Amino acid sequence: DAGVIQSPRHEVTEMGQEVTLRCKPISGHNSLFWYRQTMMRGLELLIYFNNNVPIDDSGMPEDRFSAKMPNASFSTLKIQPSEPRDSAVYFCASSSVTTGGYTFGSGTRLTVV
Amino acid sequence: GENVEQHPSTLSVQEGDSAVIKCTYSDSASNYFPWYKQELGKRPQLIIDIRSNVGEKKDQRIAVTLNKTAKHFSLHITETQPEDSAVYFCAAPSSGTYKYIFGTGTRLKVLA
Repeated sequence: DAGVIQSPRHEVTEMGQEVTLRCKPISGHNSLFWYRQTMMRGLELLIYFNNNVPIDDSGMPEDRFSAKMPNASFSTLKIQPSEPRDSAVYFCASSSVTTGGYTFGSGTRLTVV
Repeated sequence: GENVEQHPSTLSVQEGDSAVIKCTYSDSASNYFPWYKQELGKRPQLIIDIRSNVGEKKDQRIAVTLNKTAKHFSLHITETQPEDSAVYFCAAPSSGTYKYIFGTGTRLKVLA
């Protein structure tokens, strides 16, 4: 398995633009998580899905953030409009009840200028 | 809700010495405890885990111990090497959910 695949690896965008981050979880994993990591705030859970259904989105900072999981092999995290304070590394992770723990993707480094 | 505290936040050791990182958790129902290593610019990677039915688990130079009564677990790295330098995170499951609560991380520096 290729692991959790995220794209793009790097994204530089101007303030106000829409940004879409993508994630393909490991096949067979039924939980998917979106995290944001910054020096100041560490690893923050934004939202997670189980069997493609959003379970907990309490970490989503505000209405500018939205996430979808249309099927078991794909999820998106969208920021519209983006702001400089959204600059961070965004990780996607997946897990299954049998394996325990998470497998993280390589992350997307987002810079909003 | 579940809370995970991790100490120390930074740790510097001489190459060859041992390093110990400690975490405490609050949910007595927690039964699985992973540790992640994150090198600079890379993803967190699972390096070792322990389930609540054992008190210790070893994998070469790393080991994890669990004290369920005291609700704490620790990562031990022996014979540290420069490549052990990274940020280490502990985690515990949030009971009744599919998510894990992460500690705030320990930045380990191994001095050559």
